[in-house]
Amino acid sequence: QSVLTQPPSASGTPGQRVTISCSGSSSNIGGNTVNWYQQLPGTAPKLLMYGNNQRPSGVPDRFSGSKSGTSASLAISGIQSEDEADYYCATWDDSLARYVFGTGTKVTVL
Amino acid sequence: QVQLQESGPGLVKPSQTLSLTCSVSGGSISSSSYYWSWIRQPAGKGLEWIGRFYTSGSTNYNPSLKSRVTISVDTSKNQFSLKLSSVTAADTAVYYCAREPRDGYNSLDYWGQGTLVTVSS
Repeated sequence: QSVLTQPPSASGTPGQRVTISCSGSSSNIGGNTVNWYQQLPGTAPKLLMYGNNQRPSGVPDRFSGSKSGTSASLAISGIQSEDEADYYCATWDDSLARYVFGTGTKVTVL
Repeated sequence: QVQLQESGPGLVKPSQTLSLTCSVSGGSISSSSYYWSWIRQPAGKGLEWIGRFYTSGSTNYNPSLKSRVTISVDTSKNQFSLKLSSVTAADTAVYYCAREPRDGYNSLDYWGQGTLVTVSS
């Protein structure tokens, strides 16, 4: 049972803005920074965002992240077909003393 | 460029011990700047953090797996390993190794390609 809740799916037509939410609690998102991972079909997850809103080198700037209180979100501005993937939020949980992943969101480009 | 590669048996019998190795290239596993982690993903399901190792010898394990998990490092081979004992079908998953910079962000910045382990008699 994941402690970080994400919507199961999200979708948009090419060029649209798509947002994914990640809801947690004071012991995880509320007290730690949030990371996001992109998992393309059949591949390993890839770090997409760290420290709430920092993009690793090579990640397009159409991806942005934010955090407020015990929730975080990932936005894809101008979604492209190659963005079809599963997206996971993640952070450390101080109460559980472990790294926790969100339930995952499957993004579809219509 | 850092690369991680998992290896080990793809089939393990119930009640036996799952053993996997992650080989690291392009960087030293002895570096004090990183944790070395294991994550798994059952088919069609989400990601589950198993645990991590730090070169000082300290470890952190998922409490739900702690009694069965051991993560260790072989610095001479630049590898780290996962052992999961008393496996059941519920342990069938793709297992990933990953690197976590000790920068306070708890991000997993490099991942292996993953290896499928099936628990079956």
